[in-house]
Formats: sequence, structure tokens, C-alpha cells
Amino acid sequence: DGGITQSPKYLFRKEGQNVTLSCEQNLNHDAMYWYRQDPGQGLRLIYYSQIVNDFQKGDIAEGYSVSREKKESFPLTVTSAQKNPTAFYLCASSIQDRNQPQHFGDGTRLSIL
Amino acid sequence: QKEVEQDPGPLSVPEGAIVSLNCTYSNSAFQYFMWYRQYSRKGPELLMYTYSSGNKEDGRFTAQVDKSSKYISLFIRDSQPSDSATYLCAIGLISSGSARQLTFGSGTQLTVLP
Repeated sequence: DGGITQSPKYLFRKEGQNVTLSCEQNLNHDAMYWYRQDPGQGLRLIYYSQIVNDFQKGDIAEGYSVSREKKESFPLTVTSAQKNPTAFYLCASSIQDRNQPQHFGDGTRLSIL
Repeated sequence: QKEVEQDPGPLSVPEGAIVSLNCTYSNSAFQYFMWYRQYSRKGPELLMYTYSSGNKEDGRFTAQVDKSSKYISLFIRDSQPSDSATYLCAIGLISSGSARQLTFGSGTQLTVLP
């Protein structure tokens, strides 16, 4: 089945620690996105990537980093600089430059220990 | 003012009711409109998307767009308990040569009571 796989489903971070969230897609989509979802605030864009080895900051990139070494993978690192990391993180992908919307994985819930 | 405002809810209706979910937006350059359904602890699932004013129907769901009023709605007919979820509107621009970016509403939590 084609889709977007996010792992782990739940993740705990200690103070001062970096953690990496995985996102893999087998939809052959060019574009990939990371969103953060907080209660009552909708989804906010962290980073997005249109092609391999290229990515752009979204609205709330501070304290996060990404890489896009392969078309199917777009991992997100939550660094120790992100002071309020507790949230639900969603990865999405889409066909670029086509009339197709974004499709989402099932998310990773990150909490502070 | 937020670019996209969504009726916050929560909304509770009896089974079989017609549900109306609504969003307004401020940027007249927005060109495409989507509705996502999100069950608890899951990712959003695309329900409907459209690029034009008017109505688009898919089974029990109808998406309505009024670009002149900058207003979009999702209607659910014959609502079922399985429709209980959070509904997100998403509105976006189509920029040539760049990945589309969506602006999401904050979501409306719907509960359909059996």
C-alpha cells in the first residue's frame, strides 16, 4: 500500500537532547512537508522540500532542522534550541506542480520528560 | 486577523442531522480549498478539494465555496457516529514552480450522537 509512514508514534525528549522524527513515503511524491499541531491552533508549517537536497523554512522553523537526501525520506530533528517541543508532528507529501493536495502520515507525538 | 478563521466548535449533533462546518479567509489570492477529517491521534485525511466557486458533492459530503464572500463550507448529510472527528479547512495558493503551501483553520470538533 502506498502511503506515508511516520515513526515513532510516541517520543519523549529529555532537556538538552536532540531527537529525530522519521518520515518515509512511497508515493513517489516530489514535495514533502513538516507541520506542528497544537490544540486550538491548527497546523503550522515547519519546513518543506520540493526536491532532493533542497528545503525551505516554513513559519516556525526555529529550533528545528531537516534533511532531504532521498526523495522518499524527510527526517525532522527537534533540537535543544526548541524550548516548547511538546506537540503532535505531522509529515505530508504532494505531487509538485500538479492539481493534487497534500497527504498526511499519522503523526508523532513528542513530549518532554 | 488570522488568514483563515474556522468556527471552533465543539459541535454536537444527533445521528441523521445535517452538519454545516464553515471557514472564512482574508486573502483573495487563495485559489484552492480543501477539507480534511482528523480522527483522534491520527493524521488528517483528505475529504474534498476544489478550485472553483460553487458546490462539489461526494456522497454525503458537499463542499461549497463562495470566493466573492471568501467563505467555504462543508455539509455532511445524514451524519453518522463514525463522522465524529475534527474537521480542518485548508486554503492555498498555486505558485508556479514552488511547492504549494496550505493555510489551515484551527479545526472544528464534531460529535455525532447515536
